[in-house]
Amino acid sequence: EVQLVESGGGLVQPGGSLRLSCAASGFTFSNYAMSWVRQAPGKGLEWVSTITGTGSDTFYADSVKGRFTISRDNSKNTLYLQMNSLRGEDTAIYYCAKAPAPRYYFPNWGQGTLVTVSS
Amino acid sequence: DFVMTQSPDSLAVSLGERATMNCTSSQSVLYNSINKNYLAWYQQKPGQPPKLLIYWASTRESGVPDRFSGSGSGTDFTLTINSLQAEDVAVYYCQQYYNTPVSFGQGTKLEIK
Repeated sequence: EVQLVESGGGLVQPGGSLRLSCAASGFTFSNYAMSWVRQAPGKGLEWVSTITGTGSDTFYADSVKGRFTISRDNSKNTLYLQMNSLRGEDTAIYYCAKAPAPRYYFPNWGQGTLVTVSS
Repeated sequence: DFVMTQSPDSLAVSLGERATMNCTSSQSVLYNSINKNYLAWYQQKPGQPPKLLIYWASTRESGVPDRFSGSGSGTDFTLTINSLQAEDVAVYYCQQYYNTPVSFGQGTKLEIK
């Protein structure tokens, strides 16, 4: 059974940093692209970033480019999102999601971790 | 970038009746060479992550009841829920994955009348 468990969310001040993690199990992690998708309170879904299975290619939404960095450790079956220069508009639930390739639908999602950016 | 627009924003349907919602893409998501529409539908209930219902515009994900169906091609798509059940109350999102960045519609909230 595929399991994706996010962690690392919390309250951070504007301009601060946070690193999210997503622990994966139940599948061959390195064979799949992984993504972060976020959802602001009461709002819709927004794709944030994707990394290929080998980690060689990364993709970012314009809204986070230059501030967020996606990475993965295939030896630990873990996906990361390093978030710097955080803004109020980054407040959201952050979901990790698995897909066969970068341009694909998302069959599997984690439960999400809440990031709140506020002073 | 592809802009996905869903209609209506909210919908109230009686139990046992049919619910229909639409998704329009600003550009075609049909990959002509393989005749596939890069369009998915998700269901999200309160406090839960999204759940994949439909991919390639009309292929039902394993375990999804057959009262859910997807149709359409190119830029215009429809999600139909036949014989509405109480557990179908949720927000429904479409997603295009034809191009990066992948993008979602704003959602249609489905309620019971």
